[in-house]
Amino acid sequence: AQKITQTQPGMFVQEKEAVTLDCTYDTSDPSYGLFWYKQPSSGEMIFLIYQGSYDQQNATEGRYSLNFQKARKSANLVISASQLGDSAMYFCAMREGQVHQFYFGTGTSLTVIP
Amino acid sequence: DVKVTQSSRYLVKRTGEKVFLECVQDMDHENMFWYRQDPGLGLRLIYFSYDVKMKEKGDIPEGYSVSREKKERFSLILESASTNQTSMYLCASTPYGRGFNQPQHFGDGTRLSIL
Repeated sequence: AQKITQTQPGMFVQEKEAVTLDCTYDTSDPSYGLFWYKQPSSGEMIFLIYQGSYDQQNATEGRYSLNFQKARKSANLVISASQLGDSAMYFCAMREGQVHQFYFGTGTSLTVIP
Repeated sequence: DVKVTQSSRYLVKRTGEKVFLECVQDMDHENMFWYRQDPGLGLRLIYFSYDVKMKEKGDIPEGYSVSREKKERFSLILESASTNQTSMYLCASTPYGRGFNQPQHFGDGTRLSIL
């Protein structure tokens, strides 16, 4: 079974609008962390936001927020007030407990339309 | 800031060549990782290392080997390059023992073409 599932291969959003990128995860470990990364066309992976399994509140970092629904095992990324520079691939990832390995989804390609 | 440096952004090699991809990090991280990224498949783990001279196979180790002789350096080796190894290769590192909230820090990637 896939540990991380991103069901939206591509998304479009109008500039200045908000957009939600979906991520669901699968784990039986009560301790885990969820991460979102941005990958522009230049290729580098940029860490955006983190949510821990024990965190009571949704994580926020500037225009990024994470809609964490633990019972549904979802960790959707919300980008508010989209900008042209937000056009990129976005990856959701998970790390379980003390395991070294990270699990990545297949990514969502976001295009911001002027 | 953590700096993860990959030796080449672009690399072109021929089938059958032995290819070395080098990765160096400057933050004394214990864990280092090699991924390959292909369209529609996301990032797939090839190998990782949690200490000098220690290595673990990831999901797709076939056709690859790794070397970690020093803590800061993690090398990926394609023993005999084949065209199906044309891909984007990403190196990453994380510290060990500070909890699972530490993100991976990535290099800029190497776009490898095997002709």
